[in-house]
Amino acid sequence: ETGVTQTPRHLVMGMTNKKSLKCEQHLGHNAMYWYKQSAKKPLELMFVYNFKEQTENNSVPSRFSPECPNSSHLFLHLHTLQPEDSALYLCASSQDLRVGRRASRTEAFFGQGTRLTVV
Amino acid sequence: GENVEQHPSTLSVQEGDSAVIKCTYSDSASNYFPWYKQELGKGPQLIIDIRSNVGEKKDQRIAVTLNKTAKHFSLHITETQPEDSAVYFCAASGGSGNTGKLIFGQGTTLQVKP
Repeated sequence: ETGVTQTPRHLVMGMTNKKSLKCEQHLGHNAMYWYKQSAKKPLELMFVYNFKEQTENNSVPSRFSPECPNSSHLFLHLHTLQPEDSALYLCASSQDLRVGRRASRTEAFFGQGTRLTVV
Repeated sequence: GENVEQHPSTLSVQEGDSAVIKCTYSDSASNYFPWYKQELGKGPQLIIDIRSNVGEKKDQRIAVTLNKTAKHFSLHITETQPEDSAVYFCAASGGSGNTGKLIFGQGTTLQVKP
């Protein structure tokens, strides 16, 4: 257990469906991320949230809509997806705290992912 | 933007032998270089990391070296065991400060034969 929990573990959805992926971290971190892992491609960063504010959208199509209601929870809302969106979606969290010039950081911890299949 | 190249894509070694995986990066501003191990059905798990102010770091059978001038870093696993079999990813992170904002290499599938 890494302290980052993703649900569901597996999801099959049609192209006209709407579904949501959930991520919860129990580590007290202040930054959360969504990554996409497709077969034969490197992990791709999708979104970055710092203190529940989105700080990066890596040119992700609007059919993926993230939501971060608090520092412990992150959602990825999915609608009208395409078969090529089938992949493993990974959530991660880290602690990135700066006080003046001093930084306290931890490494990124990943959840086990949601295996998404779009049919 | 940053680009990370990782080689080899597959690596097969006999139990007890050493394994070396190499990565190069393009952005000289990158200052944090973690290595993740991913087993089947699981998310990536950090095994070792190094920051740009250090040239080498070791943790038991695992070591990482960093050459900032050449912009490459390597993972060394000694005395490999069958449980080391997994996919290994290198990554690089730049000056944003977010250690989770990573550019990953393509991955290396390591097979350790008993």
